[in-house]
Parts: sequence; structure tokens; C-alpha cells
Amino acid sequence: GEDVEQSLFLSVREGDSSVINCTYTDSSSTYLYWYKQEPGAGLQLLTYIFSNMDMKQDQRLTVLLNKKEKHLSLRIADTQTGDSAIYFCAEKGQAGTALIFGKGTTLSVSS
Amino acid sequence: EPEVTQTPSHQVTQMGQEVILRCVPISNHLYFYWYRQILGQKVEFLVSFYNNEISEKSEIFDDQFSVERPDGSNFTLKIRSTKLEDSAMYFCASSSDRRNTEAFFGQGTRLTVV
Repeated sequence: GEDVEQSLFLSVREGDSSVINCTYTDSSSTYLYWYKQEPGAGLQLLTYIFSNMDMKQDQRLTVLLNKKEKHLSLRIADTQTGDSAIYFCAEKGQAGTALIFGKGTTLSVSS
Repeated sequence: EPEVTQTPSHQVTQMGQEVILRCVPISNHLYFYWYRQILGQKVEFLVSFYNNEISEKSEIFDDQFSVERPDGSNFTLKIRSTKLEDSAMYFCASSSDRRNTEAFFGQGTRLTVV
């Protein structure tokens, strides 16, 4: 079945760039998403990319999609302590409405 | 900014009891979802709901689970007879379009079955 994999932890220093990686198996994915979860909060939609795009930029966030390799990444420029959270990659296939999530990457930003 | 709200934030229940988790989706949204996240595991899809009926459900969503939109604003998930393994964070989400391009999630209800 469909699967989404992410590395579990990433630690960076404030001001550096963070790159969170994700791989997925469903070649029919139409949309790919990044959600952020802060402690005690829900899942906040950060950004998403349509599968026919290879890059999307939104302020400090850059999403790169390599559809051939089924690889998605989220780059956060000038990472701040407020960016510390769990980041979830998710994909949606052509059929159905369900999002398939990865386990989440815990980003820790030190000052 | 409109948001999805869920109540309660934390529910403790005894095994075998029925629980109802409540959600108020964003007001102009028509598509509603429940997901759950067992501690340390992935966020898993349970069910999607549109036009007062289930449009899609996962293998997890068995006969113990049901969903309802009892009025114009609430969307509920009922677990008929809770088991220890139902302990999880339950997230409600809503979207305005059928493709679920942008699904907005609530803050979650942590269900603990003892």
C-alpha cells in the first residue's frame, strides 16, 4: 500500500537552513503537503505542491519535488527557535480524499 | 482566521464505555474527516464525510466507530465500546473542496482508555 517515510529528527542552529526530507511510494499522488505541529496544537497546513510542479516557494519555505525519485523536501531558510516543531509530510492519491502521513520529523532549533 | 475546533481536548474513559468526540468544522466547508495518531505512530485516516454520508473509510473504521453531523455545525465521532488500543490523539479536519486540496485540522482530542 501507499507509504510515506521521513527521518525522525533534525537539529539545527538558529539562522541556519533546515532541510526536511520525505519519500513516498504512490506514483499517482496528486498533491503533497507539509504540516507543522507545535506542542499541544493541531496540524497546521504549511504549504502544498501539485504533482506537476517541481518547486514552490513561500517566504522562508521552499518545497522541492522530484517526482521520478518520489522525493519531497522542505527547506526552511533562516531557521528560528519558533520553527521548533514536528513536521509532517503527507500525500494524496488520485482516488479518494484521504491524506497519507509520514511519522513526522522533529525539528529542534538551538540558539 | 477561521479554524476547526475540537472538544474536549482530553478525555479519559473506562474500557467498554462509549465516547463521543466533537468537532466544529470551518463554517463554509462541506467535507469532513477524522484521523487518529497513536502515540509514536503515524497520523492515520479514519473516515471522510460529505452530504450526510460516509464517502470513504479506512480499515480502522470498523463497526465500533460511527460519525454524524447532528446539526448544521457539529461533526462527531462515536466509539461504541472503547478498547485500550483506541487510546490516541483524534484529529478532525475539514475542507471546502472535493479534492481535499487544503484540509484544515483541529487541535485534536487526546483519548485515554483505562
